[in-house]
Amino acid sequence: GAVVSQHPSWVICKSGTSVKIECRSLDFQATTMFWYRQFPKQSLMLMATSNEGSKATYEQGVEKDKFLINHASLTLSTLTVTSAHPEDSSFYICSAREGGRGELFFGEGSRLTVL
Amino acid sequence: AQKVTQAQTEISVVEKEDVTLDCVYETRDTTYYLFWYKQPPSGELVFLIRRNSFDEQNEISGRYSWNFQKSTSSFNFTITASQVVDSAVYFCALSEAGNQFYFGTGTSLTVIP
Repeated sequence: GAVVSQHPSWVICKSGTSVKIECRSLDFQATTMFWYRQFPKQSLMLMATSNEGSKATYEQGVEKDKFLINHASLTLSTLTVTSAHPEDSSFYICSAREGGRGELFFGEGSRLTVL
Repeated sequence: AQKVTQAQTEISVVEKEDVTLDCVYETRDTTYYLFWYKQPPSGELVFLIRRNSFDEQNEISGRYSWNFQKSTSSFNFTITASQVVDSAVYFCALSEAGNQFYFGTGTSLTVIP
């Protein structure tokens, strides 16, 4: 089946630094990728929809200047958490849809801890 | 309003027991997809099943089975003869024609040996 890979799987950084998370579709082209955030013992919250070659669409309440999304190619989307603070510590998951099949495949997730 | 409701927050069963995880959804679209995902403690989401709105046939895959009933807007998931490895959080999700994905709040299943 389709595979979506996320990197890094975990990262620890100091407050004020920026962190980039990559999401790659390994065996299919994804014109659309999605970024989710998950707090402990909670559901996935959609942050933004990443569209190849155009600006991302952010959900209400998500700061686009804080969470920069770039979808430079059909197989890669990146999420950059700028000037990270401890409250940004969370589990970030990306996903990609393969064509029109409707299935949404998820990356392994990236656990961010901001000290 | 919640699009996908998983009323059971936590369930504990003893190994080999059967367990059913409930999922109720809400949509006005006639074309939509329903999904179940498993999230083990390691965090990654594992795709289990996708069902489109025109296919109400129940599905069985090994110890897993799904009951889709449009009349009650439910898509329940049953694990037969549960095992410790089934312990995880299970999410039900709805995808409408506009591609938006809605997740339920998840059901945490603990299988006790």
